[in-house]
Amino acid sequence: KAGVTQTPRYLIKTRGQQVTLSCSPISGHRSVSWYQQTPGQGLQFLFEYFSETQRNKGNFPGRFSGRQFSNSRSEMNVSTLELGDSALYLCASMLAGANVLTFGAGSRLTVL
Amino acid sequence: ELKVEQNPLFLSMQEGKNYTIYCNYSTTSDRLYWYRQDPGKSLESLFVLLSNGAVKQEGRLMASLDTKARLSTLHITAAVHDLSATYFCAVRSGNQFYFGTGTSLTVIP
Repeated sequence: KAGVTQTPRYLIKTRGQQVTLSCSPISGHRSVSWYQQTPGQGLQFLFEYFSETQRNKGNFPGRFSGRQFSNSRSEMNVSTLELGDSALYLCASMLAGANVLTFGAGSRLTVL
Repeated sequence: ELKVEQNPLFLSMQEGKNYTIYCNYSTTSDRLYWYRQDPGKSLESLFVLLSNGAVKQEGRLMASLDTKARLSTLHITAAVHDLSATYFCAVRSGNQFYFGTGTSLTVIP
């Protein structure tokens, strides 16, 4: 059974650019969440989608956005990148009614 | 906003010793999770605790939950090097998970 797949795994951008990260959840999982992990701030919740609807949003500026497609795949976008956006971005999926988040390997973004 | 605090943040312990990691959270919840993260890797689910008094054990790790005290503990028995990792607790409120700051554990031979 395939796990949560995130692409790309690593990327380098410069300030002011934008980036799109992709997440394919485990088959059958309709809930997809995104987290930002940095050494200083730990794991911070970005947003959660279920059946193409954003159900929850964390305390991040509007430069961070996301969406979910009908096949449950999700993308997140960060526009006008800042140095502080350098982080590991983790996607997690969950089966409806279940209790465990399953995480992908993450996308490591470096902003220069 | 729900707050989750872990302590200690860093833990260096000798092989064979016992220790406990603590996880406190700020609001009522009966769903507490423990995850493990190895350097450069993603998070792996260790335990899911779903009721007051829940206790789960896997190998040298044992997790417990006291919802009245809003406290969960992760106890390490006779530590071995393979347990070196960062451990996170998380509390679920609705559909959102709130993670603690993590405890970086290093087991020294």
